[in-house]
Amino acid sequence: GEQVEQRPPHLSVREGDSAVIICTYTDPNSYYFFWYKQEPGAGLQLLMKVFSSTEINEGQGFTVLLNKKDKQLSLNLTAAHPGDSAVYFCAVNNYAQGLTFGLGTRVSVFP
Amino acid sequence: ETAVFQTPNYHVTQVGNEVSFNCKQTLGHDTMYWYKQDSKKLLKIMFSYNNKQLIVNETVPRRFSPQSSDKAHLNLRIKSVEPEDSAVYLCASSYEQYFGPGTRLTVL
Repeated sequence: GEQVEQRPPHLSVREGDSAVIICTYTDPNSYYFFWYKQEPGAGLQLLMKVFSSTEINEGQGFTVLLNKKDKQLSLNLTAAHPGDSAVYFCAVNNYAQGLTFGLGTRVSVFP
Repeated sequence: ETAVFQTPNYHVTQVGNEVSFNCKQTLGHDTMYWYKQDSKKLLKIMFSYNNKQLIVNETVPRRFSPQSSDKAHLNLRIKSVEPEDSAVYLCASSYEQYFGPGTRLTVL
């Protein structure tokens, strides 16, 4: 089945700097890709979903790149601020099987 | 706007008891899912349910079973809870994965 590797597991970022989280998946038939943010004690907050190939998607304070050729999904936090401190998960959906999640990246933003 | 509802938010119980968690979605989706998030934040699919077709993750113990009355509801029943069942259980709807807020189970 699908396997998703997410790195790094922990990330310390100075406020104002950028940070990148990368996920690599194995199933070339996967076609829904997601990034979630989870703050302490809270549920999963959808940041972005991506369905196209080699696409850059911009959100508020972040950019998502999907490279289906290399089976890689990345999240770039631009100009990090304290509110970005959370655990971030990538997830890959191969139709009816449901999501396969990465192990998460704990991001800490310090002044 | 919340469209996937889970109850209860928290549940504390003792080993061997039966528990049931509810999930309802108001989005009109055909497919619903249950996920388990353990204490290390690891998220794993447990079940997906689509038009009465159930797909079960083979690693899920038999004491877990999903229950659906219609396509808007997918409940999760645990027949006899064990300590390792302590986790957050997340319900989701649609291939686009709209998540509910989760139910935190603590087994004493």
